[in-house]
Amino acid sequence: NAGVTQTPKFQVLKTGQSMTLQCAQDMNHEYMSWYRQDPGMGLRLIHYSVGAGITDQGEVPNGYNVSRSTTEDFPLRLLSAAPSQTSVYFCASSLAGQLVYGYTFGSGTRLTVV
Amino acid sequence: AQKITQTQPGMFVQEKEAVTLDCTYDTSDQSYGLFWYKQPSSGEMIFLIYQGSYDEQNATEGRYSLNFQKARKSANLVISASQLGDSAMYFCAMRTLNKLVFGAGTILRVKS
Repeated sequence: NAGVTQTPKFQVLKTGQSMTLQCAQDMNHEYMSWYRQDPGMGLRLIHYSVGAGITDQGEVPNGYNVSRSTTEDFPLRLLSAAPSQTSVYFCASSLAGQLVYGYTFGSGTRLTVV
Repeated sequence: AQKITQTQPGMFVQEKEAVTLDCTYDTSDQSYGLFWYKQPSSGEMIFLIYQGSYDEQNATEGRYSLNFQKARKSANLVISASQLGDSAMYFCAMRTLNKLVFGAGTILRVKS
């Protein structure tokens, strides 16, 4: 049981480049979310999804796109990378329905934009 | 909108002593869940404890307990008998219907 798998673990981009951070879960979780973690600011919600075909914006969505074509996958796309997007990115997933269900987190992607 | 506030950027505690990490929250939802996560230097997010908004008793999990004061909208984490391995970043988080939001975190350092 792999849980939540994020790839890549590390990435360096040049300003203006685009890329996709991959996230996959094998727990049949309906809910999936993307966060970025910056020093002193905790984890901030970028985008989230409550099921295949349904996505919504979080606190800091600008510069990022998502789609959810399957239950298992929730990729995060950076359209034109900027140095302000240098951060650690976490993907998380959870069952729907009960607030007691916690979120399972991936191991993170450390992204540097130069 | 939901908001989590952790006012202690950093804390020190002596080994074997207890420590309280503060968390206040704001939401207009009646149903919500409160979580604490630990993030060691390795970076993974580790679930510690959960408290539901309708739970009348404070949650406990081993050395962790959650001091839930609903009227004050606070959900403080108490770690008893601190160990060196407790040194980490601690996040308070709140789950409403379809999302989980976090506070800024508190770095805890346990001194020997």
